Amino acid sequence: EVQLVESGGGLVQPGGSLRLSCAASGFTFSSYSMNWVRQAPGKGLEWVSYISSSSSSMYYSDSVKGRFTISRDNAKNSLNLQMNSLRDEDTAVYYCVREGYRELDYWGQGTLVTVSS
Amino acid sequence: QSALTQPASVSGSPGQSITISCTGNSSNVGRYNLISWYQQHPGNAPKLMLYEVSKRPSGVSNRFSGSKSGNTASLTITGLQAEDEAGYYCSSYAGSSPYVFGTGTKVTV
Repeated sequence: EVQLVESGGGLVQPGGSLRLSCAASGFTFSSYSMNWVRQAPGKGLEWVSYISSSSSSMYYSDSVKGRFTISRDNAKNSLNLQMNSLRDEDTAVYYCVREGYRELDYWGQGTLVTVSS
Repeated sequence: QSALTQPASVSGSPGQSITISCTGNSSNVGRYNLISWYQQHPGNAPKLMLYEVSKRPSGVSNRFSGSKSGNTASLTITGLQAEDEAGYYCSSYAGSSPYVFGTGTKVTV
């Protein structure tokens, strides 16, 4: 069974940093591209970042480019998102998501990030 | 990339059929047959319901079907059931900024 378990969310002040992690199990992690998708409270889904299976390609949404860094450790079956210079508008539930071909086929339960003073 | 446009809400009675539209442009929906749909119940993570316009993952009911014409994709739910009441989001592959989502539609049964 595919499982994606996020951790690392919490309350942080504007301008602060936070590192999210995602532990993957139930599939060959090193064979799949991964993504982070977020959802602000009461709002829709927003794609945040992508990393290819070998870490050779990484993409970011314009809203987080230059502030967030995606990485993965295939030996540890883990995905990470380093978030710096956090803003109020980064407040959201952050989902770790596996990519099939060009669809997001498995989602974690999410971790809440709250940016507030 | 701007969000794809979906109706804010759609409603139907049990047993009826409903259709949710998803409108993009020639850079996303119109360019790729890589449209997916996600169902999200309150407090839960989204779940993949359709991919590549009309393909269903294992375990998804055949009451869910998809189509595309030009820059607009559609999700149809037939034989509406109470458990179908949820939020629905479309998504299109969009190249190097891989995914653009729709604005979301609340389905009320």
